[in-house]
Amino acid sequence: RKEVEQDPGPFNVPEGATVAFNCTYSNSASQSFFWYRQDCRKEPKLLMSVYSSGNEDGRFTAQLNRASQYISLLIRDSKLSDSATYLCVVKRGNNRLAFGKGNQVVVIP
Amino acid sequence: IAGITQAPTSQILAAGRRMTLRCTQDMRHNAMYWYRQDLGLGLRLIHYSNTAGTTGKGEVPDGYSVSRANTDDFPLTLASAVPSQTSVYFCASSEVLGETQYFGPGTRLLVL
Repeated sequence: RKEVEQDPGPFNVPEGATVAFNCTYSNSASQSFFWYRQDCRKEPKLLMSVYSSGNEDGRFTAQLNRASQYISLLIRDSKLSDSATYLCVVKRGNNRLAFGKGNQVVVIP
Repeated sequence: IAGITQAPTSQILAAGRRMTLRCTQDMRHNAMYWYRQDLGLGLRLIHYSNTAGTTGKGEVPDGYSVSRANTDDFPLTLASAVPSQTSVYFCASSEVLGETQYFGPGTRLLVL
């Protein structure tokens, strides 16, 4: 099993719709989780941290399922500006981060 | 300067040449990192530094070296470039090792 695994997509989403995707991780001892956003030919930027209780930031909701070892990201009321690649990031035991390959989201007018 | 800067923005390099990618941050972060990003492979850690004066190897360190003489700067050197080092290189920093990382704009390197 890969350390961090994501379905690359693309996820084609009509504007205004909801899209959700998961990321699975292999190390059950992982403690910290993040979602980063990367626009085409740009650097990754932190979207949100993922807490055990789940967290919400506007139209974005992140959830953590420790039992099944996955985190999820849900985007409600998709905007054209949400088109990007969303990187799942897991903190390893050695304090370094493992990055997934990303979920590509394309919001269609 | 605000955040992290990288130079050059892009570079075409002949194989066998030596090249140093520059990275500077003004956030007084202790930890800094170098990643390469290749299509289909995602971000892979090359080297990192926990604090000024210390460095460590990441997943793909071969062919690369780093130094951390001070808090702000973390240059990455390719001693003798090879075509497989064609990639996008991102520098990042975090307040402490393993915490939220902030990325520079990247350097696009083509080795011919």
